Amino acid sequence: EAQVTQNPRYLITVTGKKLTVTCSQNMNHEYMSWYRQDPGLGLRQIYYSMNVEVTDKGDVPEGYKVSRKEKRNFPLILESPSPNQTSLYFCASSPWTGRYSNQPQHFGDGTRLSIL
Amino acid sequence: AQTVTQSQPEMSVQEAETVTLSCTYDTSESDYYLFWYKQPPSRQMILVIRQEAYKQQNATENRFSVNFQKAAKSFSLKISDSQLGDAAMYFCAYRSGGNNDMRFGAGTRLTVKP
Repeated sequence: EAQVTQNPRYLITVTGKKLTVTCSQNMNHEYMSWYRQDPGLGLRQIYYSMNVEVTDKGDVPEGYKVSRKEKRNFPLILESPSPNQTSLYFCASSPWTGRYSNQPQHFGDGTRLSIL
Repeated sequence: AQTVTQSQPEMSVQEAETVTLSCTYDTSESDYYLFWYKQPPSRQMILVIRQEAYKQQNATENRFSVNFQKAAKSFSLKISDSQLGDAAMYFCAYRSGGNNDMRFGAGTRLTVKP
């Protein structure tokens, strides 16, 4: 089954304790992205990756890191989490078939992070 | 940067009736794609419908259809014969033709009354 898998689905942790949210897709997609969802703000992009070893900042990258060492994996790293990073996080992927592509993004089931 | 605006934070509809959710966007590009995603309480993001900007014909998927007005930069979603399972948060999204980045609106929470 084609899917984007995020782990964990829920995490409660404390300020300053490094954490990683994993994301893996089995569709051989080139493009992967991380979003955070906050009430009244919709989904905002944190980082994205066009392919292996190619990553770039989205709209709200402060406090986050990513890496893309393998095509299927795109972990999100919070080196020193703070309470303002409490949010619902989504990983997404899509194929890159060129400029004229209507391919939507496929989303994981989300990770609810609470930073105390 | 492109922006997407959903001006209705909440909407409600009676079961079996029709409801329209509004979405406007701001862009200077000519090539782009528009999407509506549904997010039920399970938090999944489910693609409802998509529209290519170069197509004049409005997209339709069963009970879901769009009214795409390119000049007005408007992309509304119409849900016909509303069902209880349609209750969810709906997000409008814009994707540039030049890359895969998507911009989302703030969402509209739809309630369906039995």
